[in-house]
Amino acid sequence: QVQLVESGGGVVQPGRSLRLSCVASGFTFSSYGMHWVRQAPGKGLEWVAVIWYDGSEKYYVDSVKGRFTISRDYSKNTVYLQMNSLRAEDTAVYYCARDPFVHGYPNWFDLWGQGTLVTVSS
Amino acid sequence: QSALTQPASVSGSPGQSITISCTGTSSDVGSYNLVSWYRQHPGKAPKLIIYEGTKRPSGVSNRFSGSKSGNTASLTISGLQAEDEADYYCCTYAGSNTLVFGTGTKVTVL
Repeated sequence: QVQLVESGGGVVQPGRSLRLSCVASGFTFSSYGMHWVRQAPGKGLEWVAVIWYDGSEKYYVDSVKGRFTISRDYSKNTVYLQMNSLRAEDTAVYYCARDPFVHGYPNWFDLWGQGTLVTVSS
Repeated sequence: QSALTQPASVSGSPGQSITISCTGTSSDVGSYNLVSWYRQHPGKAPKLIIYEGTKRPSGVSNRFSGSKSGNTASLTISGLQAEDEADYYCCTYAGSNTLVFGTGTKVTVL
């Protein structure tokens, strides 16, 4: 069925790295933009990053620029979030989400994964 | 990239209508017809309920409706039901290929 399944979360020390994965199934992966959205414990949603449907462009929220990298592998129908130099404030549930890119740029999120928890702590 | 402003909480009795506001600026909400709304139950992933300000995805109840005036978008839930008790978030395109969420609103069904 149509779904997104995240993995790769866990407990990591400050300053270390972690890579999240999101496997897409049930739809044409190459037709959609893909995002990562996070939610700190007890807090609201925060958009983190987007990658174009063809991988040609990537954009980030200011707080992760230079530390996080979004990428996608069409052979595996997977989108990744490489997180480096992690900080305590990066602790959150990370969701991947699909975007139909109707207008040719980020629009909205019409399908979400179940999320994966990242805890940054010593 | 400042978060859009939503009321922290809104409540209503079953069968009533409630409205949640989402206030941005002329650079985001006011500039684009791209406000979307999401419902999130505790411990669950968000779900899209409104996109492009007023449109409902297939399968979403017509009890949900969206509107916009100037820099403020609104979500109205009519015929409030127990299952509507959840957190609600607005989101919009903020220019420069970025998106921004609202602060979130907790809806309580009395």
